[in-house]
Amino acid sequence: AQSVAQPEDQVNVAEGNPLTVKCTYSVSGNPYLFWYVQYPNRGLQFLLKYITGDNLVKGSYGFEAEFNKSQTSFHLKKPSALVSDSALYFCAVRDAGNNRKLIWGLGTSLAVNP
Amino acid sequence: EPEVTQTPSHQVTQMGQEVILRCVPISNHLYFYWYRQILGQKVEFLVSFYNNEISEKSEIFDDQFSVERPDGSNFTLKIRSTKLEDSAMYFCASREDGEQFFGPGTRLTVL
Repeated sequence: AQSVAQPEDQVNVAEGNPLTVKCTYSVSGNPYLFWYVQYPNRGLQFLLKYITGDNLVKGSYGFEAEFNKSQTSFHLKKPSALVSDSALYFCAVRDAGNNRKLIWGLGTSLAVNP
Repeated sequence: EPEVTQTPSHQVTQMGQEVILRCVPISNHLYFYWYRQILGQKVEFLVSFYNNEISEKSEIFDDQFSVERPDGSNFTLKIRSTKLEDSAMYFCASREDGEQFFGPGTRLTVL
């Protein structure tokens, strides 16, 4: 069965510092990986995805993620955090079936302190 | 920019009552989904819908749940007899071919 793990419930960083939100996955076959962000009282917003190609994927709001096949990881990164980045971040993997449903991690709450 | 919309944003109901959650997917999208997120837990897949029929459903999606696309724009999730444990945030999503786009969610509270 396919699964996603986000080992950290919460990440705290100071504004201007680099941030990393961790995600590891377990899939059969090629992984299709996604990051979504959820701001308070808002829906799930797509940040970026890895399907194939370069291991470093660039997405919205200056975020990027690095796909590492040997470590089965897809960590989300940003070189310089903003207070406005504070939100809940979800890693997801696309199911191998035709319906492409998403299988989600538990989420990581990111707090960027001024 | 087109977006998925959901109504209502918050629904409070009594246990045993029927609720209908409404979604308007992005207009040219062909695949539709419902997910739910119980407070403090992960987002869970409920059902996918394509070509006017359910294409896949999870074990959560039992006989009290149903989905419908009554016209060319709306996509609804009906819960026939709500239970306390149905309290959650319900997200609708749609896609054309690539990533899924999500609505803002409906927070369902069952008392």
